[in-house]
Amino acid sequence: AQSVTQLGSHVSVSEGALVLLRCNYSSSVPPYLFWYVQYPNQGLQLLLKYTTGATLVKGINGFEAEFKKSETSFHLTKPSAHMSDAAEYFCAVSPSGSARQLTFGSGTQLTVLP
Amino acid sequence: KAGVTQTPRYLIKTRGQQVTLSCSPISGHRSVSWYQQTPGQGLQFLFEYFSETQRNKGNFPGRFSGRQFSNSRSEMNVSTLELGDSALYLCASSLGPQDQETQYFGPGTRLLVL
Repeated sequence: AQSVTQLGSHVSVSEGALVLLRCNYSSSVPPYLFWYVQYPNQGLQLLLKYTTGATLVKGINGFEAEFKKSETSFHLTKPSAHMSDAAEYFCAVSPSGSARQLTFGSGTQLTVLP
Repeated sequence: KAGVTQTPRYLIKTRGQQVTLSCSPISGHRSVSWYQQTPGQGLQFLFEYFSETQRNKGNFPGRFSGRQFSNSRSEMNVSTLELGDSALYLCASSLGPQDQETQYFGPGTRLLVL
């Protein structure tokens, strides 16, 4: 069985500051890892994903995440927050071989302060 | 290219009724997955279809069912609605059963059960 823990249901940063959203996972098999963003009244948009290969993954809108197997983590970062980054962010895991059956974390609401 | 469309966007039903939600995947996509999003349980996988066959199913009661048509459009049905079925139901499509393919989410159908 897999699970995802997102530390901090709410995170606030100032515009221009570093964004760090934390995600830890547990998986009995090599995982695929994802970060999605959800804006109000919208579906989920994929920010980035890790399947195999390079452990530092770059995504859209300046976000990146690093897969650290020893720490079972996949934290999401962005060097400089923008007001438009305010949204809810979800980390998700799936067992390799079933990328469309995702287990999601509980989400982190990001607020960007002017 | 049009994205994933879901109809209706909003729905109000009463306990005991049944409901059918529809999802049209992106043109050329043959895999459709369904998720339920609630404040209490978060995002949970319901089921996945490819080529009119259910490939995976989440931990939901038999009241939740789905199907996929030859044109890849999918429907999910919930019978004997309960208050706890109130949720945002999200559909996601991908090209096919390849592990690394990205899932594209629709805007969801918001169901309220009274």
